Amino acid sequence: KNEVEQSPQNLTAQEGEFITINCSYSVGISALHWLQQHPGGGIVSLFMLSSGKKKHGRLIATINIQEKHSSLHITASHPRDSAVYICAALISGNTPLVFGKGTRLSVIA
Amino acid sequence: ETGVTQSPTHLIKTRGQQVTLRCSSQSGHNTVSWYQQALGQGPQFIFQYYREEENGRGNFPPRFSGLQFPNYSSELNVNALELDDSALYLCASSFPGQGGNTIYFGEGSWLTVV
Repeated sequence: KNEVEQSPQNLTAQEGEFITINCSYSVGISALHWLQQHPGGGIVSLFMLSSGKKKHGRLIATINIQEKHSSLHITASHPRDSAVYICAALISGNTPLVFGKGTRLSVIA
Repeated sequence: ETGVTQSPTHLIKTRGQQVTLRCSSQSGHNTVSWYQQALGQGPQFIFQYYREEENGRGNFPPRFSGLQFPNYSSELNVNALELDDSALYLCASSFPGQGGNTIYFGEGSWLTVV
């Protein structure tokens, strides 16, 4: 069993829909990253969270440390949001990230 | 623009050959990690370097080796290539020893072994 689990694996949405991607982890962490990967392969860091909530534009990320759960929300989704969204856990300061398998999002116009 | 550059972007090698992939990080980012991402999977940790020394390694055989240089560049070397080594190889850099710092990824190197 992977230490970081994401759901759903695949998600198709109509433009404008509100989207939620979930991430749960089984170990104690110091921070959690949400990453976006486009078909070309490059990964962009969206958020790094250790508590609470962060917002950037139409993206919102929340984390509940006690429940070992984080969510990424996209409001007013757009086809350009289509990508793979990956959560990755940082267990302690200088350890490598532990990645989920990603959620493939397709937003249809 | 993440400030992390990888080369080459795509390459094809024959089974048994050796390959060197390169990564150039932002100045001051003296922690660099390398990941292998097979199609449809999340990235898997290969190893990490801090100030030119390996300080963490994932479940990869010794034919995967690396180097980090004082100018914040690094290399991933893979010897005796196998078909299963075909994947996207990502490097990522960050400031060291500070839990929860932003991590910067390169665009990756797509390796195909035939």
